[in-house]
Amino acid sequence: QLVESGGGLAQPGGSLRLSCAASGFPFSSYEMNWVRQAPGKGLEWISYISSGGSTIYYAESVKGRFTISRDNAKNTVSLQMNSLRAEDTAVYYCARGGIVATILYWGQGTLVTVSS
Amino acid sequence: DIQMTQSPSSLSASVGDRVTITCQASQDISNSLNWYQQKPGKAPKVLIYDASNLETGVPSRFSGSGSGTDFTFTINSLEPEDIATYYCQQYDDFPPITFGQGTRLEIK
Repeated sequence: QLVESGGGLAQPGGSLRLSCAASGFPFSSYEMNWVRQAPGKGLEWISYISSGGSTIYYAESVKGRFTISRDNAKNTVSLQMNSLRAEDTAVYYCARGGIVATILYWGQGTLVTVSS
Repeated sequence: DIQMTQSPSSLSASVGDRVTITCQASQDISNSLNWYQQKPGKAPKVLIYDASNLETGVPSRFSGSGSGTDFTFTINSLEPEDIATYYCQQYDDFPPITFGQGTRLEIK
C-alpha cells in the first residue's frame, strides 16, 4: 500500500513537501516514482529514484525545482517542491516500479494547488 | 523521448460491444508497454503488462496485443463498470516514462 500526504494550497514561488508511506512490501527493494495529473488532463511522470537511492531522474518540467528522496528505514519516499508555479497544480501520485519492476502500482494521490 | 500516440481520445459504446484502443510509439519499443485503467477520482490500475499479459485478478475480457510501434487494447463484451479512462505507458526508454494521452470510454 502507498499513502501520499502533504498536499494542499501553496502560493506561486512557494514550497511544499510531499511524502509517500509504503507498507506491505519490501520497500528497500523497489524503485519509486512520482507521477502527476493536472485537473482534467493525462498522466505526467516527473521523478524516479532507484531502490537504494543512488539513481535519480527528473522530468525537464521540474528539474532544478523538485527533489526526490527516500528513507528506506522509514519506508517513505518524499518530493520536495520549490519555486512552485500555477502549472504544478495537480494530483500527485507516488508509484512503485520503474526500470527493474516495470509495472507501476499507485497510491491514491494527494492534491497540490498552486494559487495566490 | 518516445512519444505515445493513443487513439481515439474518447469513445462511446454499448454494453456488450467490443472496444478497441490503439497506441503507437514514435520508435520501436519491443513489447515494453503497459495498459492502465483509471476510474474517476481514483488512481490508475494496471490491466495489461508487457503488451499482452493480463494482470492477476483482471477479467479476461481485457486483452492486449502488438509489438514494435503498434499496440492494441481490447475489451470484449463491454460491461458498465468499464467506464474509465485508459492509458498506455512505455518503459523501453527510461527516463522518461511516457504515457499516451488517454482514451475516455463512455457507455451509450
